[in-house]
Amino acid sequence: GQNIDQPTEMTATEGAIVQINCTYQTSGFNGLFWYQQHAGEAPTFLSYNVLDGLEEKGRFSSFLSRSKGYSYLLLKELQMKDSASYLCAVMDSNYQLIWGAGTKLIIKP
Amino acid sequence: ETGVTQTPRHLVMGMTNKKSLKCEQHLGHNAMYWYKQSAKKPLELMFVYNFKEQTENNSVPSRFSPECPNSSHLFLHLHTLQPEDSALYLCASSQDRGTGGTEAFFGQGTRLTVV
Repeated sequence: GQNIDQPTEMTATEGAIVQINCTYQTSGFNGLFWYQQHAGEAPTFLSYNVLDGLEEKGRFSSFLSRSKGYSYLLLKELQMKDSASYLCAVMDSNYQLIWGAGTKLIIKP
Repeated sequence: ETGVTQTPRHLVMGMTNKKSLKCEQHLGHNAMYWYKQSAKKPLELMFVYNFKEQTENNSVPSRFSPECPNSSHLFLHLHTLQPEDSALYLCASSQDRGTGGTEAFFGQGTRLTVV
């Protein structure tokens, strides 16, 4: 079966760095997405990785290793507004998105 | 504002009621989706429409009935629901279905409670 694993919850301190991991087992691979979802709001697109390596976009970076079935989202200089759930999703060989259950990130002052 | 609008934002309905959820996208996309989001569970894809044609129905019970009159509008008709159907229902759109790297844009969802 297809499976996406990510931690249920993480806590970090304002101004610090946090890494949210995602491991996957899917039928084929056509890219990995990260989305951010604030409570009661729509998930919003953060990043897309299809090749191995690190993609940097401001305070957020996303890394992919296809051979290991592994990705992480790195958030730097954490702000209180970064408190949200972070969803990892993999597009399989049928171009269907397989979703993780999300990681709830709590930022403390 | 993602360009995808869902109404209503909140809905409470009895098990014998009939109601409809509405989704509208202003992005010119060709693919639209219904997802169910339950607490601490992955997003569950329910239905996919591509160019107004239903391309996927992921074993969804018949008490959920989708309708896509045009590429900008999507409805989810609900009838005789069960309490376990209570969840956040998300609509999404993307440029096309079946293209790698195509990000989805989500609406804010309808929080449905079945009593």
